[in-house]
Amino acid sequence: QSALTQPASVSGSPGQSITISCTGTSSDVGRYNYVSWYQQHPGKAPKLMINEVSNRPSGVSNRFSGSKSGNTASLTISGLQAEDEAHYFCSSYTSDTTLWVFGGGTKLTVL
Amino acid sequence: EVQLVESGGGLVQPGGSLRLSCEASGFSFSSYYMHWVRQVPGKGLVWVSRINGDGRDTTYADSVKGRFTISRDNAKNTLDVQMNSLRADDTAVYYCVRDGHSYDFDSWGQGTLVTVSS
Repeated sequence: QSALTQPASVSGSPGQSITISCTGTSSDVGRYNYVSWYQQHPGKAPKLMINEVSNRPSGVSNRFSGSKSGNTASLTISGLQAEDEAHYFCSSYTSDTTLWVFGGGTKLTVL
Repeated sequence: EVQLVESGGGLVQPGGSLRLSCEASGFSFSSYYMHWVRQVPGKGLVWVSRINGDGRDTTYADSVKGRFTISRDNAKNTLDVQMNSLRADDTAVYYCVRDGHSYDFDSWGQGTLVTVSS
């Protein structure tokens, strides 16, 4: 069982917006602004999409945005495109000895 | 362009050992913390270990502490992990990952599969 909780799947039609939640605890998501999000296409390595809760690294589309409230972080993808279909994982730094925890991943289907 | 290329994966029996390596290029290797992150195929990601730039500071997940040893050679731009006393639940794709300086992971290798089975 993953330390951070994500929905197993979400779906949306092209052009729509979707939001993926990532729920942790006061030891990780709630304590630090070090939440990051990763996109993973089948058979490929993960790609960093968001860091520090809401920062987009260079080269990442501005259709991707992040936020946080309490122990829950969120990734929003606007203007869905077919290429966005992938698995998305959240991660947070934690005060536990593990140092970093991940969510179980959310499969995004673009209908 | 940042490139991270892992090697060394394969099939090993329970209790056995394996050494994974990662060749880094395209950036100043010694300036970055590096990590190993693993993923059971079809499942989530799990952080395994971290090493600082000069190799003197290492940290491990509880699940591998005492069995895995992370190391680096900055002259050769390589990152290694020595894995001993392997168990079935160590079976996963192991990724070599660059630290992004924001408690994130900004570049990933393609991964190497480790299968622990008799």
